[in-house]
Amino acid sequence: NAGVTQTPKFQVLKTGQSMTLQCAQDMNHNSMYWYRQDPGMGLRLIYYSASEGTTDKGEVPNGYNVSRLNKREFSLRLESAAPSQTSVYFCASSGPFRATNEKLFFGSGTQLSVL
Amino acid sequence: AQTVTQSQPEMSVQEAETVTLSCTYDTSENNYYLFWYKQPPSRQMILVIRQEAYKQQNATENRFSVNFQKAAKSFSLKISDSQLGDTAMYFCAFSDSNTGKLIFGQGTTLQVKP
Repeated sequence: NAGVTQTPKFQVLKTGQSMTLQCAQDMNHNSMYWYRQDPGMGLRLIYYSASEGTTDKGEVPNGYNVSRLNKREFSLRLESAAPSQTSVYFCASSGPFRATNEKLFFGSGTQLSVL
Repeated sequence: AQTVTQSQPEMSVQEAETVTLSCTYDTSENNYYLFWYKQPPSRQMILVIRQEAYKQQNATENRFSVNFQKAAKSFSLKISDSQLGDTAMYFCAFSDSNTGKLIFGQGTTLQVKP
């Protein structure tokens, strides 16, 4: 039972490089999310997708793009990485959207460093 | 906009003792859910406990319980009989009923000392 799988686990980029973080869930969840975690700031929502084919901005969307490829997959792209994007990134999923009692299932995180 | 505040960046407790982590939030909604998540050094996010705002009874899960004060918008987590495995960062989170997304506090790092 894989749950939420995100890759890679670690990545080092140079300023200006691009990359895509991949996320897939096998729980048939409708909603998927990308968060970033920074010291002293908790988890902040970057983008979310309520259902296949829809995406919306969260608290800190600047510098990122997302794609909800299908119900299972939700990718996060950094087009031109900046040192301010050094962070730990988490993908998460949950059941029916607007079911606010639903717990989030998290991936194991990606440690990204931008030099 | 909803906000979640954890005012204790770090706390420590002796093994077998009780510790309380604080959380306050701000919302104009009446029905919502609150959560506590645990993040051990492995970085895994684990749901500890969940509270429904319309329920007056405080949620409990084994050694974990909450003190939910709706009027004061306070949602503290009490850990009884602390164990070394409780050492982790703890996040309070509020569920936005309009969007379904979770809004997290800044986190409290808890160290349980032997």
